Amino acid sequence: EDKVVQSPLSLVVHEGDTVTLNCSYEVTNFRSLLWYKQEKKAPTFLFMLTSSGIEKKSGRLSSILDKKELFSILNITATQTGDSAVYLCAVEPSSGNNDMRFGAGTRLTVKP
Amino acid sequence: SQTIHQWPATLVQPVGSPLSLECTVEGTSNPNLYWYRQAAGRGLQLLFYSVGIGQISSEVPQNLSASRPQDRQFILSSKKLLLSDSGFYLCAWRDTGELFFGEGSRLTVL
Repeated sequence: EDKVVQSPLSLVVHEGDTVTLNCSYEVTNFRSLLWYKQEKKAPTFLFMLTSSGIEKKSGRLSSILDKKELFSILNITATQTGDSAVYLCAVEPSSGNNDMRFGAGTRLTVKP
Repeated sequence: SQTIHQWPATLVQPVGSPLSLECTVEGTSNPNLYWYRQAAGRGLQLLFYSVGIGQISSEVPQNLSASRPQDRQFILSSKKLLLSDSGFYLCAWRDTGELFFGEGSRLTVL
């Protein structure tokens, strides 16, 4: 059965800290891995990763995928209170079913 | 540009009552449509997905059903709600890339 495991489940840091969120997966015929940020309601898209070793970057956020070890990390540098959210990792298999499997998420709290 | 609308935003229903959550997408045609449920402190559980009108795939056996009467309309229903149906329901669509989510519907069954 496909599985996505995120760690830690929750994390509390102070503004300016750097954080690393982890996502490991087991999926048959991997196609892509996606990161989302969920503040209150709708998750918003951050990154889609399909190739190993290629870092995707957007401002203070960056992410990379390791298809050999089956994991991805999401880094946030110089954290701000606005980064407080649940970060979700999702994996899409190339099974042709058009579904994505989500992890339980990491709840990040950034204190002033 | 594409937009997704989901309603109602909040719903409080007694056990045994029916349910209807509606989702519509604008600005695209023949999207893949999804219903997810998010229990408190947990990730998103895929309930149903649809690749076309009248085509519904169910991921887990449950008290809920889904229908797609029109290309850009996706409905989540129940004839008799259970306490365990409480949660945050998210509709989503995608073409070939990432999922785009609606604002969600918070259902409380009492």
